[in-house]
Amino acid sequence: DADVTQTPRNRITKTGKRIMLECSQTKGHDRMYWYRQDPGLGLRLIYYSFDVKDINKGEISDGYSVSRQAQAKFSLSLESAIPNQTALYFCATSDHRLAGGSTDTQYFGPGTRLTVL
Amino acid sequence: GESVGLHLPTLSVQEGDNSIINCAYSNSASDYFIWYKQESGKGPQFIIDIRSNMDKRQGQRVTVLLNKTVKHLSLQIAATQPGDSAVYFCAENNWSNYKLTFGKGTLLTVNP
Repeated sequence: DADVTQTPRNRITKTGKRIMLECSQTKGHDRMYWYRQDPGLGLRLIYYSFDVKDINKGEISDGYSVSRQAQAKFSLSLESAIPNQTALYFCATSDHRLAGGSTDTQYFGPGTRLTVL
Repeated sequence: GESVGLHLPTLSVQEGDNSIINCAYSNSASDYFIWYKQESGKGPQFIIDIRSNMDKRQGQRVTVLLNKTVKHLSLQIAATQPGDSAVYFCAENNWSNYKLTFGKGTLLTVNP
């Protein structure tokens, strides 16, 4: 979805390095999410943010941190990258107001392929 | 624990045939379901959704069926085309939970 962009699209880094993945959206959505995708494990939630001042851990937040710099920007950092963080990372957005406040559809960016050597 | 799963990990069909992709869910509190399509090298793309107060919803060439009695969800694709080849995920949500729970995906291959 061109309304959700991720940079970089591909990244190779070394163990111990700190890296940041960035996500921007022009959809005007209030909620943003970071997932990782691994073969055979599907999509797993790392962090989510319901608004600029509301950030929450997902199911696999260890080793990651996030920053919601503005409603349209949500970045994911790996403080000290390790090889098992090699994966596809997806940012997603949603707007709870579109679904009556109880459920919402998430729209995904194109992904970042991260390799940690 | 609660989970969303798929009956078939792979499905191969001939172009022009109809495809049916199945999904089982175990959380009876789930009230909203979504199907996503993920093509190689791309992020998941929303296809169609359905709420628990419905048992059928149709889109363009796609139909989602929900059977709450047996906790089963299916995606039907009519006149399947090569461009439909992708991994298809079902996802569930409920009013008390912020997040979607995704199944592991079914790979659909359309043979010309």
